[in-house]
Amino acid sequence: DGGITQSPKYLFRKEGQNVTLSCEQNLNHDAMYWYRQDPGQGLRLIYYSQIVNDFQKGDIAEGYSVSREKKESFPLTVTSAQKNPTAFYLCAVGTSGGGTQYFGPGTRLLVL
Amino acid sequence: AQSVTQPDIHITVSEGASLELRCNYSYGATPYLFWYVQSPGQGLQLLLKYFSGDTLVQGIKGFEAEFKRSQSSFNLRKPSVHWSDAAEYFCAVGGGGADGLTFGKGTHLIIQP
Repeated sequence: DGGITQSPKYLFRKEGQNVTLSCEQNLNHDAMYWYRQDPGQGLRLIYYSQIVNDFQKGDIAEGYSVSREKKESFPLTVTSAQKNPTAFYLCAVGTSGGGTQYFGPGTRLLVL
Repeated sequence: AQSVTQPDIHITVSEGASLELRCNYSYGATPYLFWYVQSPGQGLQLLLKYFSGDTLVQGIKGFEAEFKRSQSSFNLRKPSVHWSDAAEYFCAVGGGGADGLTFGKGTHLIIQP
């Protein structure tokens, strides 16, 4: 969706390093989400935020952290505690009713 | 706990032939159901969604899906596939609020010339 941007497209992490993935939206939606995608595994929810300054853990939050200081932005930090970070990370935004989610283009994280 | 099962990991269809991708869900309340499509290295694009009402829903790119509550299914269909339909297809379920969706593991569609 053109209203959701994720950067960078590719990101490389060294051992013990924290890295931050960016997600920005101009759709004026309240809810934002982070999913992790591994080959053959579908998408799994990491964190989500329904409103500024509030967020909830998803199914696989360990080793990740988020912030929601602005409505437009929901950055995800992959910490050194995440031992298997190599994956495709997708950000989504959601409408206030019905739960429809729209996805950004994704960031592929690789470990050096 | 909610879950989505897509029984077919890969499906191969000849160009011009009809297509049906299967999706079964488990959800404790009224489900909100979605089909998404993903091209390699890209994000997910919404094909269609079911919230309530008519159980046959139309989506983009000529796709449709039928909700069958008695079978807990939401199968995706297309009468005639095109080579450009080759992609990964995901079924998802949610509760209609702002919580996250639960996704199936996907079906990889291959189109034979």
